[in-house]
Amino acid sequence: DGGITQSPKYLFRKEGQNVTLSCEQNLNHDAMYWYRQDPGQGLRLIYYSQIVNDFQKGDIAEGYSVSREKKESFPLTVTSAQKNPTAFYLCASRRGNEQFFGPGTRLTVL
Amino acid sequence: GQQVMQIPQYQHVQEGEDFTTYCNSSTTLSNIQWYKQRPGGHPVFLIQLVKSGEVKKQKRLTFQFGEAKKNSSLHITATQTTDVGTYFCAGGSGTYKYIFGTGTRLKVLA
Repeated sequence: DGGITQSPKYLFRKEGQNVTLSCEQNLNHDAMYWYRQDPGQGLRLIYYSQIVNDFQKGDIAEGYSVSREKKESFPLTVTSAQKNPTAFYLCASRRGNEQFFGPGTRLTVL
Repeated sequence: GQQVMQIPQYQHVQEGEDFTTYCNSSTTLSNIQWYKQRPGGHPVFLIQLVKSGEVKKQKRLTFQFGEAKKNSSLHITATQTTDVGTYFCAGGSGTYKYIFGTGTRLKVLA
């Protein structure tokens, strides 16, 4: 059963703490993306990776970091430098031009 | 930077009425994609348009790409309660980086 998994579904952290969001795919896709979605808004691109060991900043990369050591995994770290981290985070992988999204992680920073 | 705007932000329709959402880009696009996000869910790919003036249909859904490749529309004929959700367009500039529109939230009243 192929797909994209994100865990956990809900995550709570105290202000000032770094937190890492997991994204795993077994679709054998080279490209992966991280987006942030705020209430009533569209998706904004944080980082994307076209291939293992390579990634590029998106439109709102400040305060975030990523790694792409394995094809299957693209974890996102939300650092304490991110001023407003509470949001819904979506990971996606791409086949051709079609993006396949994971179920998302809702991060709340208290 | 490139921006993609969508209107309207919200639309409530009676079941059986038609619905249209419009997407406008500040720059010429190489392609445009449409996604549907059900309440509490993640975006799901619907279609991609590439050619100037292209029109594609999926059952009750009709997608158009403008002649100048800067705007697009999604029209749903005779809405059903299963059409409820937020519809996003995503503009591609040929680099596999997509700019998502702000989305149109559709509510269908039975």
